[in-house]
Amino acid sequence: SAVISQKPSRDICQRGTSLTIQCQVDSQVTMMFWYRQQPGQSLTLIATANQGSEATYESGFVIDKFPISRPNLTFSTLTVSNMSPEDSSIYLCSVDDPLSEKLFFGSGTQLSVL
Amino acid sequence: QKEVEQDPGPLSVPEGAIVSLNCTYSNSAFQYFMWYRQYSRKGPELLMYTYSSGNKEDGRFTAQVDKSSKYISLFIRDSQPSDSATYLCAMSASGNTPLVFGKGTRLSVIA
Repeated sequence: SAVISQKPSRDICQRGTSLTIQCQVDSQVTMMFWYRQQPGQSLTLIATANQGSEATYESGFVIDKFPISRPNLTFSTLTVSNMSPEDSSIYLCSVDDPLSEKLFFGSGTQLSVL
Repeated sequence: QKEVEQDPGPLSVPEGAIVSLNCTYSNSAFQYFMWYRQYSRKGPELLMYTYSSGNKEDGRFTAQVDKSSKYISLFIRDSQPSDSATYLCAMSASGNTPLVFGKGTRLSVIA
């Protein structure tokens, strides 16, 4: 299975600031995904990040709020912009392992916005 | 009605018990069914993967899919304290469509 490194693992941020979360994979993957996991809620897909094209956002998520970069096949970033307390959540990077075609997750970023 | 329903628990059982975790779903197009285990402050870890209906066994874990009832289950035999975690069901219609997750069931196995 793919090994996914995500950082930071946790952060406490002030309202109105932005945080960039990094996701590094140990092998080349076509599709990388960003999820949000709010307390007591299902994992919710934010967007799909494909190398060489703009990310595809799910309903309720917009690029201005969650800009995503995918500069190569092993790396992606998600920025949470102009944060508010409602953005406090766990953010997870995941990849489709090309060999098993199964979805694997990083360890997540626990974000708290004051 | 949500696409995937999962009782959040918490569920507390004694060590050695058989645990049954369940999800129901409404989308008859779902073909791929997964169970993830998530320890505190960790990302979800793929536990079981099943295509279409039937059973799949892996050690102490058995996944069952009943498409006619739109119901999936995960059984854990001889449960251990190390099984204490949140278990999330997930499903999709095809390999190219996003997974839809349940809210997760928090399980505690008491020694």
